[in-house]
Amino acid sequence: GAVVSQHPSRVICKSGTSVKIECRSLDFQATTMFWYRQFPKQSLMLMATSNEGSKATYEQGVEKDKFLINHASLTLSTLTVTSAHPEDSSFYICSARRGAGGAETQYFGPGTRLLVL
Amino acid sequence: GENVEQHPSTLSVQEGDSAVIKCTYSDSASNYFPWYKQELGKGPQLIIDIRSNVGEKKDQRIAVTLNKTAKHFSLHITETQPEDSAVYFCAASEGGTSYGKLTFGQGTILTVHP
Repeated sequence: GAVVSQHPSRVICKSGTSVKIECRSLDFQATTMFWYRQFPKQSLMLMATSNEGSKATYEQGVEKDKFLINHASLTLSTLTVTSAHPEDSSFYICSARRGAGGAETQYFGPGTRLLVL
Repeated sequence: GENVEQHPSTLSVQEGDSAVIKCTYSDSASNYFPWYKQELGKGPQLIIDIRSNVGEKKDQRIAVTLNKTAKHFSLHITETQPEDSAVYFCAASEGGTSYGKLTFGQGTILTVHP
């Protein structure tokens, strides 16, 4: 399968600081990437759809000014959690969509564990 | 929007037995149904997927069936092994303006006892 990486894998930060998470598709180009959030023992919740060269589309209830998404190239999308608070602590996972024309497949990164103190 | 229901929430089997996980979806426009395996602390791994133009797909010990009329699809794992223990998620891809967006089921914790 395709390879998607995330960095960092784990981050601890102080309340009020900003944290940037990178998502890279290593062996394919992805015009579309997705950012998910997952709480313990729960399913994945889509936060936003990241499209290369354009603004991200956020799901209802997700603050776009708090979760800044940039998709500047076909292999890199970044999620910045601004002014992080303890309630932002979670497992953040990105996915990248490969293929086109009805043959798209989504591959996920390994996730980033964020702990805000 | 799309709604995906997954059952059971937990499934415990003996090594060598079969395991079946079922999902239903609500949006008849959905046309892509992947299954992911997630191990503790890791991202989901795609294990098999099916598109609406086929009814069944098999890959070694794993198979997926799709019934578009009833709007449900199932994951079948045969000859289960302890390393199959993980959380399994089904998903459905929305059509229309939300093309490509996945809606996930609640997950099934599969435990395979040696």
